[in-house]
Amino acid sequence: NAGVTQTPKFQVLKTGQSMTLQCAQDMNHNSMYWYRQDPGMGLRLIYYSASEGTTDKGEVPNGYNVSRLNKREFSLRLESAAPSQTSVYFCASVIPTGRGYEQYFGPGTRLTVT
Amino acid sequence: AQTVTQSQPEMSVQEAETVTLSCTYDTSESDYYLFWYKQPPSRQMILVIRQEAYKQQNATENRFSVNFQKAAKSFSLKISDSQLGDAAMYFCAYRNPYNNDMRFGAGTRLTVKP
Repeated sequence: NAGVTQTPKFQVLKTGQSMTLQCAQDMNHNSMYWYRQDPGMGLRLIYYSASEGTTDKGEVPNGYNVSRLNKREFSLRLESAAPSQTSVYFCASVIPTGRGYEQYFGPGTRLTVT
Repeated sequence: AQTVTQSQPEMSVQEAETVTLSCTYDTSESDYYLFWYKQPPSRQMILVIRQEAYKQQNATENRFSVNFQKAAKSFSLKISDSQLGDAAMYFCAYRNPYNNDMRFGAGTRLTVKP
């Protein structure tokens, strides 16, 4: 049971390049999230997927696209990277529990756009 | 839109002493969830404690407890008997159960002095 995994761990892109961040969970959770964390700030929600086949915009969706490929995988794509997208990206999966919600985070991807 | 404010960018505490981290939030919902997360230098997000808004009783997890004031929209974290391992960034977070939105505060960096 690996929990939430993210690939890659580190990435450097040039302005205008594209890439896809991968996220997978093996806990059979319905909901998955993508966040970004900038220095001096908390996590900000980019997109989320409440269930397979559905996605919704979060607080900062501009410049990103997502795909919920199946229940396990939720990918984040940067079509034309910009320096403002330099950040640490976290994926998370969420499951309702008897005490509300339990959110499991991946280890993060540090992305630098030059 | 919901917002979460942590007014203390940095706090320090002497080992074995007690410290309180502040958090306020803004919402028009009556039902929601609040969380405190710890982020050590490893970047891993670790759930410290959670509170359901419909519960009046303050949540407690070992040395960690909250003071939840719903009318004041305040959710502070108290760490008792502080340990060196408590040193980390602490984030307050709010979850809207109706639209799955998650909002985080900017964080408080806690230093524990031996």
